[in-house]
Amino acid sequence: DQQVKQNSPSLSVQEGRISILNCDYTNSMFDYFLWYKKYPAEGPTFLISISSIKDKNEDGRFTVFLNKSAKHLSLHIVPSQPGDSAVYFCAASDRFQRNNAGNMLTFGGGTRLMVKP
Amino acid sequence: DGGITQSPKYLFRKEGQNVTLSCEQNLNHDAMYWYRQDPGQGLRLIYYSQIVNDFQKGDIAEGYSVSREKKESFPLTVTSAQKNPTAFYLCASQKGPGGVLTFGAGSRLTVL
Repeated sequence: DQQVKQNSPSLSVQEGRISILNCDYTNSMFDYFLWYKKYPAEGPTFLISISSIKDKNEDGRFTVFLNKSAKHLSLHIVPSQPGDSAVYFCAASDRFQRNNAGNMLTFGGGTRLMVKP
Repeated sequence: DGGITQSPKYLFRKEGQNVTLSCEQNLNHDAMYWYRQDPGQGLRLIYYSQIVNDFQKGDIAEGYSVSREKKESFPLTVTSAQKNPTAFYLCASQKGPGGVLTFGAGSRLTVL
């Protein structure tokens, strides 16, 4: 049973427009969420995170929104650039895990973003 | 430059053979992790280690083994008991609880 789901396996967006990547979770204990970006044949790199005490976190062109009641988060990229084309993973962790078993992350299946010039 | 080095990048093995994937970090991070990536399934945790000489099973540990004799090194052995070993394997490290994971570039294992 996947606790973190990214229901869109792929997304295609025109350069300069907004990209919106979505992520849903089922475990109500999750209180910290991250987005990672992955290029082919490379390891994922950390992009942005959000704690459950917030509903929005912004870093340059990237903004993550968290809706705790809906157990949903989204990553907005504005404006989208061709270099943003990659697979984006949503990940989550909970305080119990962090305090007792390290920061194990539960990952979603990823969304492949393609930004067309 | 500090980072995580995984080797080999590509590995081909015959069915029934054990293989060991190397993971070395010079970030002075305490915790290290092994994840497996399969298409459409995201990253699944195989093993993790928070300190030297200690490690714990993750969600899919069956058919794998690890060791943590040094802080810098966390090798993963894919044994013949792993029923579907062909995958992309990612090693990660973390400075402490709550820290962001830093990933290596990965190792792609193909079993023929």
